[in-house]
Amino acid sequence: NAGVMQNPRHLVRRRGQEARLRCSPMKGHSHVYWYRQLPEEGLKFMVYLQKENIIDESGMPKERFSAEFPKEGPSILRIQQVVRGDSAAYFCASSPTRSGTGNNSPLHFGNGTRLTVT
Amino acid sequence: KQEVTQIPAALSVPEGENLVLNCSFTDSAIYNLQWFRQDPGKGLTSLLLIQSSQREQTSGRLNASLDKSSGRSTLYIAASQPGDSATYLCAVPIDGGATNKLIFGTGTLLAVQP
Repeated sequence: NAGVMQNPRHLVRRRGQEARLRCSPMKGHSHVYWYRQLPEEGLKFMVYLQKENIIDESGMPKERFSAEFPKEGPSILRIQQVVRGDSAAYFCASSPTRSGTGNNSPLHFGNGTRLTVT
Repeated sequence: KQEVTQIPAALSVPEGENLVLNCSFTDSAIYNLQWFRQDPGKGLTSLLLIQSSQREQTSGRLNASLDKSSGRSTLYIAASQPGDSATYLCAVPIDGGATNKLIFGTGTLLAVQP
């Protein structure tokens, strides 16, 4: 019963390159969230997706960042033309339903992808 | 605009001690509140979720309380162990609704000394 799988665990990119971060949600989960944790800062919401739909991207920078969750395959967070300020840990989380209800863990996080831009 | 604050930022206690972590939020119109722990280099693990209609939730040595009117939640850890050492985060829905679009507190870094 695999949890949320993120890869790669570590990613190094030079300024101007593209970064692709992948997330496979838990089996049976159709709701995916991406969060970013900048050094010395807390976790910040970026985007919420369901299969083939972006539900809420209000936390994502308007330029260079995009996300998708296709019908088949993992969710992808794509950062074009990376800059040093993009260096952070990017976490994906999934849930079976839209909201946090019930006593069980409603939101399951992956171990993150640590992006370093040199 | 919802803001979430956690005090203290860091805490060091000897093994066996009971301790309380605090979480404050500015907008009391929340749907629920969640407590997570984060181990170094890892993701977050959900510990407890309290619905807005509940006053507390318990799981093993952990007990979380919620006082919506005062905008506060506490996480009580009984008989602390070195394995409890981690960063503890509280979070509420950004827009107060039924969503996992969360705003997180800044966290409390807990160190339990053997």
